Amino acid sequence: GAGVSQTPSNKVTEKGKYVELRCDPISGHTALYWYRQSLGQGPEFLIYFQGTGAADDSGLPNDRFFAVRPEGSVSTLKIQRTERGDSAVYLCASSLGSNTEAFFGQGTRLTVV
Amino acid sequence: GENVEQHPSTLSVQEGDSAVIKCTYSDSASNYFPWYKQELGKRPQLIIDIRSNVGEKKDQRIAVTLNKTAKHFSLHITETQPEDSAVYFCAGVDDSSYKLIFGSGTRLLVRP
Repeated sequence: GAGVSQTPSNKVTEKGKYVELRCDPISGHTALYWYRQSLGQGPEFLIYFQGTGAADDSGLPNDRFFAVRPEGSVSTLKIQRTERGDSAVYLCASSLGSNTEAFFGQGTRLTVV
Repeated sequence: GENVEQHPSTLSVQEGDSAVIKCTYSDSASNYFPWYKQELGKRPQLIIDIRSNVGEKKDQRIAVTLNKTAKHFSLHITETQPEDSAVYFCAGVDDSSYKLIFGSGTRLLVRP
């Protein structure tokens, strides 16, 4: 597609469940970012991929969060044993490389009830 | 690593006035500073960016200035219009890992 695509757009899950959030970056973009945005806050860095490898995962809040990008394109953010505090909009962005414009997806709104 | 601070958190201006949003960063090696605009319920979109080899960049009513010595950069919007109302985020690139770090955002309200 022409832009970054995220699915699902909305996800409601029960506390303790496992969720997967998907990001399809712009074709050819080697850099891929995951951010979490709570209401009224800026995007909070979670993890950054350069190609298939996680160049920086220092923003993942704990070991319940994990992300993969096995073929250097689509990425999946995985959250185990979800907690109500995980509720937020999860944004994915991609760019041609570092220091270039990052394009955002529309986000996945995760609600943990 | 990079830390970006942004202020003010909210800004209200009269239509036609100018608006200025300021950010400071911590990583002296950072060399790329984008600004994003996010309208309610929508994704952040780049409006302007600046690299460390220039001190100012302008695009119509929007300009960004960079002071590398002081480690701060600012967004200037002139002749503000109601459609400029949104949340604006500055960002810096962490030079060690190249991750993009955002400020906390400024909610701009342009009063008609």
